[in-house]
Order: sequence, then structure tokens, then C-alpha cells
Amino acid sequence: GQQVMQIPQYQHVQEGEDFTTYCNSSTTLSNIQWYKQRPGGHPVFLIQLVKSGEVKKQKRLTFQFGEAKKNSSLHITATQTTDVGTYFCASAGGTSYGKLTFGQGTILTVHP
Amino acid sequence: SAVISQKPSRDICQRGTSLTIQCQVDSQVTMMFWYRQQPGQSLTLIATANQGSEATYESGFVIDKFPISRPNLTFSTLTVSNMSPEDSSIYLCSVETRDSFPYEQYFGPGTRLTVT
Repeated sequence: GQQVMQIPQYQHVQEGEDFTTYCNSSTTLSNIQWYKQRPGGHPVFLIQLVKSGEVKKQKRLTFQFGEAKKNSSLHITATQTTDVGTYFCASAGGTSYGKLTFGQGTILTVHP
Repeated sequence: SAVISQKPSRDICQRGTSLTIQCQVDSQVTMMFWYRQQPGQSLTLIATANQGSEATYESGFVIDKFPISRPNLTFSTLTVSNMSPEDSSIYLCSVETRDSFPYEQYFGPGTRLTVT
């Protein structure tokens, strides 16, 4: 089955610094989804990208889907302590967008 | 959107026993899924819970170990059978809503299982 590799595993930043996590696949992905999991919480859906080269923004978060649909990134501008958590990328296979293969996740800590 | 509840929220069980986890959604959904998140790890799909038919299991997961029921479009159960300490994980159900494309996924709060 498809595999989605995510880097880095950990990222420590000072509040106000930017943060980026990357997701890569050796095969073409039909879509990419991003989730945030707060410590002790459950994954919360952030966004889904389906088009080649797609870029979407949510306030300080920018999501990109590569032209070849083999990679994606999540960029947070000027991190805040509320951004702390684990960010996962995931891709859906088959006909359902809920049947997900998750990346390993990037754990973000923000120092005030 | 969808609001999902799971019961129990956590449990400590002895090896060899079984635990049934319930997942309730506040609206009818076609697709429901069960995931496992082992400590410090990512999420792994266990199975798709199909309404009115047998669940579809992913590689490495079998019905005898993880029987699933889906009696209607708002409810599903996952049983972890003959538990061992390696089954200690968070078990999450998720649903796919199809209000508009691209479809969104929602996860339940999870059931934290510790097997001693």
C-alpha cells in the first residue's frame, strides 16, 4: 500500500518563529489531508488538498500540494503557544476519503 | 460536521479479557472507521465498519481479534478480544461526512486502553 513519510519528527521553536512540516510519497497521491492532535487529544481535521499545485491558507497556516502530487507541506507563520501539538499528514486510498494512511507526525513544541 | 462520542473513554483491563468500545455519531454517516494509535505513534487503520455487512479489515488485523458491529448509520462497536499488553493503545473511531467536497473526516475522542 501507499506510504507517506513525514519530516521532521520533532521541531522545537521559539514563539514567533515559523514552522514547516513536510510529507512525501514515492507514489502519486489522490489527495492529502492534514490533522492536528493536541497533547492528550484526538486528531482534528485541518484541511484536504486534491489538486496538483494547490495552495490553501487558514490564517497563519499555509498548506501546499506539490505539482506532481507526491509531496505536501504545512507552514505556520509566527508560531504561538496554542500551536503546540502533533501535526499529521494523511492520504486516502480507494474511493473513500476516510480510509487514511497517516504520516509519522511532527511534534511541535513552542517555547514562550 | 459530526459530533462523535466514544465509550468508555479509558479502561484498564487484564490480559486475556475482552473490551467492547462503542462509537456514537450525532448524524447518519455512510462511512465509519476504526483506528489504533499505539503510545507515541501515528494512527493505523484497523477496519472500515460497513452497515449491514461484515467489516473490511486492513492488512494485519483480523475479525477474530477485532470483531466490529455496525447495526445502523449512527453507531458502531469495536471489540478487542483476548487482550495482551501489546493491545495497549488509543482506539479511535472516525466518520466521513459528505456534506460538500472535499469530504471531511471527524475523529472521536478515543478510548485509552491499558492492558496489564
